[in-house]
Amino acid sequence: RKEVEQDPGPFNVPEGATVAFNCTYSNSASQSFFWYRQDCRKEPKLLMSVYSSGNEDGRFTAQLNRASQYISLLIRDSKLSDSATYLCAGYNFNKFYFGSGTKLNVKP
Amino acid sequence: DAGITQSPRHKVTETGTPVTLRCHQTENHRYMYWYRQDPGHGLRLIHYSYGVKDTDKGEVSDGYSVSRSKTEDFLLTLESATSSQTSVYFCAINDGDSYEQYFGPGTRLTVT
Repeated sequence: RKEVEQDPGPFNVPEGATVAFNCTYSNSASQSFFWYRQDCRKEPKLLMSVYSSGNEDGRFTAQLNRASQYISLLIRDSKLSDSATYLCAGYNFNKFYFGSGTKLNVKP
Repeated sequence: DAGITQSPRHKVTETGTPVTLRCHQTENHRYMYWYRQDPGHGLRLIHYSYGVKDTDKGEVSDGYSVSRSKTEDFLLTLESATSSQTSVYFCAINDGDSYEQYFGPGTRLTVT
């Protein structure tokens, strides 16, 4: 079983919609979690860290649920420019484990 | 953007030849990582370094070796390239305090 798993999508949503992605992890000892954004044929870029208390950055909200071992990313008021692949990652003892990514297509 | 460069950016090589990819950082970060990214598998860790001359294996290390003789450079070597090593290779760095990783632009390697 992979350390981190996520629905590959694609999620096709209209502009202005709210969309949520979940990511499950198998190692309860994982210390920290992150969401990355990756555009086609580009490197992943850190979107935000994920804290148990939840954190928000503009239209983006991330949550960590340790009891159920999942993290989530909520995007409000989707923009065309949000179209990308979103990767979740966990960190444990010097190593990062990535999900395969969830593809988001925002349509006009 | 974090100061990370990778070279070469693209390479085509033949099966059985040795290949070395270079990652260079200007951030003086302690940790450096090599990943490969393939469709359906996402990013998988090959090797990482936690200091000069200190390295450890990741989940897909077979067929790869690494070296780090200076803080700023982390080399990935394919001793004898195989077609299964055709992939996009990303280098990443981390300061060891925040756990936030920053990636280089990637190297597209094709083994024919």
